Amino acid sequence: QQQVKQSPQSLIVQKGGISIINCAYENTAFDYFPWYQQFPGKGPALLIAIRPDVSEKKEGRFTISFNKSAKQFSLHIMDSQPGDSATYFCAASGGSYIPTFGRGTSLIVHP
Amino acid sequence: DVKVTQSSRYLVKRTGEKVFLECVQDMDHENMFWYRQDPGLGLRLIYFSYDVKMKEKGDIPEGYSVSREKKERFSLILESASTNQTSMYLCASSLRLAGGPFQETQYFGPGTRLLVL
Repeated sequence: QQQVKQSPQSLIVQKGGISIINCAYENTAFDYFPWYQQFPGKGPALLIAIRPDVSEKKEGRFTISFNKSAKQFSLHIMDSQPGDSATYFCAASGGSYIPTFGRGTSLIVHP
Repeated sequence: DVKVTQSSRYLVKRTGEKVFLECVQDMDHENMFWYRQDPGLGLRLIYFSYDVKMKEKGDIPEGYSVSREKKERFSLILESASTNQTSMYLCASSLRLAGGPFQETQYFGPGTRLLVL
């Protein structure tokens, strides 16, 4: 199974700060890179996703930056809020490759 | 609104019992997946299915089997539960596109937290 490496494992940010989570992948055939958000007691849900034809995608306070040559992508949460406290998973998939998930980042945003 | 439902939110079983976890999706998705989630290990794929009666092993299939008799339903079976199968189990589904069978978003159920004593 192809790997997706995610860091950091945990992150503590003050309210209003920027949260940054990074992922790196190996398989250049991947062409779909979603981020999932999981609240305690719930299943993961799609937060935002990007395809490799663009280098950045923004939805509200959430931005994915994608670096195809470095095989890296990251999630930026601007103006982080306590309600953003959750576990975040990056993933990569595409073609005939089943989705591969990072190990997750536990984000805590202090009020 | 898309929906993936799992038969139980919490389950307590004894070692050696046969355990059935059921998942139903109402989105007419071809692909269905079973994961287990453990702290620090993320989501690990147990089995997946891309069509009725089709199944493929994921990363950790040992001790598990699956059944997909209908498109909307994907069952995970623990033939003889063991304490190391205590975990959160997540079901997911996704659309299968001709150009990229696994290219689309996965929709997850709420999870079943299984405790094996």
